[in-house]
Amino acid sequence: DTGVSQDPRHKITKRGQNVTFRCDPISEHNRLYWYRQTLGQGPEFLTYFQNEAQLEKSRLLSDRFSAERPKGSFSTLEIQRTEQGDSAMYLCASSSSFGIGQENTGELFFGEGSRLTVL
Amino acid sequence: RKEVEQDPGPFNVPEGATVAFNCTYSNSASQSFFWYRQDCRKEPKLLMSVYSSGNEDGRFTAQLNRASQYISLLIRDSKLSDSATYLCVVRHASGGSYIPTFGRGTSLIVHP
Repeated sequence: DTGVSQDPRHKITKRGQNVTFRCDPISEHNRLYWYRQTLGQGPEFLTYFQNEAQLEKSRLLSDRFSAERPKGSFSTLEIQRTEQGDSAMYLCASSSSFGIGQENTGELFFGEGSRLTVL
Repeated sequence: RKEVEQDPGPFNVPEGATVAFNCTYSNSASQSFFWYRQDCRKEPKLLMSVYSSGNEDGRFTAQLNRASQYISLLIRDSKLSDSATYLCVVRHASGGSYIPTFGRGTSLIVHP
């Protein structure tokens, strides 16, 4: 059983560069979420996919942030023209919308995250 | 006002103590409630869902008060291994989307 995997685990980049993170969800999960977490804070919701449809993207932090899930499987999160304030842990989570009542808790399964440092 | 509010702590308690955390939420249309646990430098993991009637899992008891819009987590007989950050999560539906919103977390330190 493979869980959620994220790549790269760490990324150091210079201000102004573009970065892309990849997330491979649990294979039978149709929902995929991106969060950002900074020190001392909880995960902050960024965007969400159900299958290949991006159902919520209004909370992406700026137009420099974009996400895709082209075939309803893996997803990418891109940050263009990075700024020092983008330094954070970027977490991906997947869940399933299937199941009935309490059989489906909507549990989020997180990857280990991609840590971004912008110099 | 934040959607989900928690006291960040830290709560510093001896082994064997009972400790309780509260969490308040602002969206009255919220439908599902959870507690997640996050160890230092690790990803969050589900601790337990919170049901309207309240629920218990071993030493952990979760309760929901919809009228006052708060959720609680009670940990009895604290263990050293309970030291972690406890994240309150509230999920609501918005235009067909289901968005889990996290609080900032409450830090628990259990000492010998």
